[in-house]
Amino acid sequence: DAMVIQNPRYQVTQFGKPVTLSCSQTLNHNVMYWYQQKSSQAPKLLFHYYDKDFNNEADTPDNFQSRRPNTSFCFLDIRSPGLGDAAMYLCATSASGTSTDTQYFGPGTRLTVL
Amino acid sequence: EDQVTQSPEALRLQEGESSSLNCSYTVSGLRGLFWYRQDPGKGPEFLFTLYSAGEEKEKERLKATLTKKESFLHITAPKPEDSATYLCAVQARASGGSYIPTFGRGTSLIVHP
Repeated sequence: DAMVIQNPRYQVTQFGKPVTLSCSQTLNHNVMYWYQQKSSQAPKLLFHYYDKDFNNEADTPDNFQSRRPNTSFCFLDIRSPGLGDAAMYLCATSASGTSTDTQYFGPGTRLTVL
Repeated sequence: EDQVTQSPEALRLQEGESSSLNCSYTVSGLRGLFWYRQDPGKGPEFLFTLYSAGEEKEKERLKATLTKKESFLHITAPKPEDSATYLCAVQARASGGSYIPTFGRGTSLIVHP
């Protein structure tokens, strides 16, 4: 089945220790998104790639970076995690240019910062 | 600025007790409205896309409707396995060649047996 895969599902890191979360997709979608979701809150868009073009949200902290080496993979780098960065990180994809732009989500990575 | 408000924040139902969840929105130029189901500790699962006022879509016990200002997710004769958070998102804002959805905070539904 075509899908969005995130690894790891659970990540524990120490305050200030860099961490990388990964996302891969078999849907061949050209757009990939990273969201941050805290408990009982709406998913908050951090940035997205339209093909190779990176689009940062205005309020995304500089502490968050992303890479997309090819169509299938996308990475979220948190350079110096703080306690406030503990959250669920969701990767999503969509086939922009179609009539729907429906987003399909991965299972998420739960990040704990000690 | 696009705004999406979902109500109620939480809803408890008895099995078989039908009800509706509301998603009201304020956007400029709606391209689509999405409903997702999110189970605890998991990513959102796509349910429906609605494009224009008057449109309706159904899937098992769920039926989504759309007006010019709001959408309803009707749950008929719910079962305990319908317990989840239901997220609404509206798609209007263009950014970098794509249209970015704005999400509501969701309605947490618990169905008791």
